Amino acid sequence: QVQLVESGGGVVQPGRSRRLSCAASGFTFSAYAMHWVRQAPGKGLEWVAVIAYDGSNENYADSVKGRFTISRDNSKQTLDLQMNTLRPEDTAVYYCAGASGFWGPFDSWGQGTLVTVSS
Amino acid sequence: EIVMTQSPATLSVSPGERATLSCRASRSISRSLAWYQQKPGQAPRLLIYGASTRATGIPARFSGSGSGTEFTLTITSLQSEDFAVYYCQQYNSWSFGPGTKVDIK
Repeated sequence: QVQLVESGGGVVQPGRSRRLSCAASGFTFSAYAMHWVRQAPGKGLEWVAVIAYDGSNENYADSVKGRFTISRDNSKQTLDLQMNTLRPEDTAVYYCAGASGFWGPFDSWGQGTLVTVSS
Repeated sequence: EIVMTQSPATLSVSPGERATLSCRASRSISRSLAWYQQKPGQAPRLLIYGASTRATGIPARFSGSGSGTEFTLTITSLQSEDFAVYYCQQYNSWSFGPGTKVDIK
């Protein structure tokens, strides 16, 4: 069955960096666009970034543009999110999600990993 | 930027009753609209895409309608497992609405 497992969360100081990973299994990862979505504690969902199935196209929310970088390795079936210059407002559960099209709904989700930005 | 709004913020419904949730886009998105359900401590789950197509395994009591800027999710005969937060999302540029919490009346 489809499985997405995020890792890399934890407590990080403001201004520092953190790298999240998402391991995919149970589906043809290389055929799917992949996204990161975050959810601050007690808040709603915020889309963060997308990468095309072959890595040829990326897009970012304005709130993270220039600080976060999404990448993927189809040979390893992994998705990453490099987060630099972290701010307290980046504190959230980060979900990876898969979509069968670059502009398509998110039909599979991981369980999320919590990133807390605090000194 | 396409801004999504949802109403009401909270909807109190008795089990077995119907729930009607609304979602509005700040400009036309055709039918590029999805609905997700999220329960506490869980990841969101896709319910509806293309404004009205149920995702795999979603019960027929969930239905979606609308196009352009106005959309509706209807849940007929609410079951105990349906009490959750529901988000709409436009996938032209992937933004989500703020959510509607459906709780027990």
